[in-house]
Amino acid sequence: AQTVTQSQPEMSVQEAETVTLSCTYDTSENNYYLFWYKQPPSRQMILVIRQEAYKQQNATENRFSVNFQKAAKSFSLKISDSQLGDTAMYFCAFSGGTSYGKLTFGQGTILTVHP
Amino acid sequence: EAGVVQSPRYKIIEKKQPVAFWCNPISGHNTLYWYLQNLGQGPELLIRYENEEAVDDSQLPKDRFSAERLKGVDSTLKIQPAELGDSAVYLCASSYSWTSGYNEQFFGPGTRLTVL
Repeated sequence: AQTVTQSQPEMSVQEAETVTLSCTYDTSENNYYLFWYKQPPSRQMILVIRQEAYKQQNATENRFSVNFQKAAKSFSLKISDSQLGDTAMYFCAFSGGTSYGKLTFGQGTILTVHP
Repeated sequence: EAGVVQSPRYKIIEKKQPVAFWCNPISGHNTLYWYLQNLGQGPELLIRYENEEAVDDSQLPKDRFSAERLKGVDSTLKIQPAELGDSAVYLCASSYSWTSGYNEQFFGPGTRLTVL
């Protein structure tokens, strides 16, 4: 079974600064996908960024980028130029192998961006 | 394009009462998921449908929970009878066929259930 661990229950950052959210996972699969989802206080979960395990290049989406370390089973999210609208709960998630049909989520990190 | 629609958004019931949640997925999405999200936790899959077929219901507490997806479109999740511990947010998500490997799941706003 796959597990996803987010060790930072809460993080805070000043507007315009950079913050990194951590995620580790455990799997015996070789092919899988990793995701970061954002859940604002309104509760609609939104995909922020995804990484395919067979790709060595780290994914980027505008201000969001990941540091994917496959050997270390680490998948961190970096948010640059933080904005007030980035305030949300962030979930790291895994999909792959026998669990391709579902997402396994971490416990989440509450990120607060301060003006 | 309309997103995943869920209703009701909020529901408050007494314990032992029945409750039902409804989900309308994004048009064309074959796969539908129901997740349970406890306060301050990540969502956990309850059941996954591929068209009309429930292909993964291993985490659904079948003694009190049931679900259906008529005609492979809308879905209903039911709890009967509800218990205090069922208070949570119930999320519905949909995607194209999961067999494609990468399948971005689009989530609805959820139904927040409070059992008194």
